[in-house]
Amino acid sequence: AQTVTQSQPEMSVQEAETVTLSCTYDTSENNYYLFWYKQPPSRQMILVIRQEAYKQQNATENRFSVNFQKAAKSFSLKISDSQLGDTAMYFCAFMKHKSSGSRLTFGEGTQLTVNP
Amino acid sequence: EAGVAQSPRYKIIEKRQSVAFWCNPISGHATLYWYQQILGQGPKLLIQFQNNGVVDDSQLPKDRFSAERLKGVDSTLKIQPAKLEDSAVYLCASSFTPYTEAFFGQGTRLTVV
Repeated sequence: AQTVTQSQPEMSVQEAETVTLSCTYDTSENNYYLFWYKQPPSRQMILVIRQEAYKQQNATENRFSVNFQKAAKSFSLKISDSQLGDTAMYFCAFMKHKSSGSRLTFGEGTQLTVNP
Repeated sequence: EAGVAQSPRYKIIEKRQSVAFWCNPISGHATLYWYQQILGQGPKLLIQFQNNGVVDDSQLPKDRFSAERLKGVDSTLKIQPAKLEDSAVYLCASSFTPYTEAFFGQGTRLTVV
């Protein structure tokens, strides 16, 4: 079974600064996907960024980028130029690549607060 | 484009009562998921549908939980009878295929007293 661990329950950052959220995972699979989701108080999960395990290049989406270390099974999220609207719970998630079933396995989450 | 719609937003019931949640996915999305999110935890998959067929229900407590997606569009999740530990947010998500982005609804917060 896959497990996802987020070791930072809470983090805070000043507006306009950079913050990195950590995530490690455990799997015996070689092909899989990794995700970061954002969950604001409205409860709606919003996809922030996605990484395919077969791609060596780290994914980037505007101010969001990842550091994917496959051998170390590490997948951290870097948020640059933090904005007040980035305040939310962030979840790291794993999905196996298989012919049927695409279950997301989530970590416990990191509550990020951006301070003015 | 309309998002994933869920109702109700909130529900409070007594233990041993039954409850049902409804989800209408994004039009054209064949894959539909129900997740349970207990306070302070990440979501956990309860069941995944591909059109009207069940793909994964390995983590669904089948003695009390049931779900259906009869016409391959909207879906209902039922709990009967509810237990205190069922208090959680129930999230519905849909995607065009199993490996494209899953879009989530705003969830139903269930409190069992």
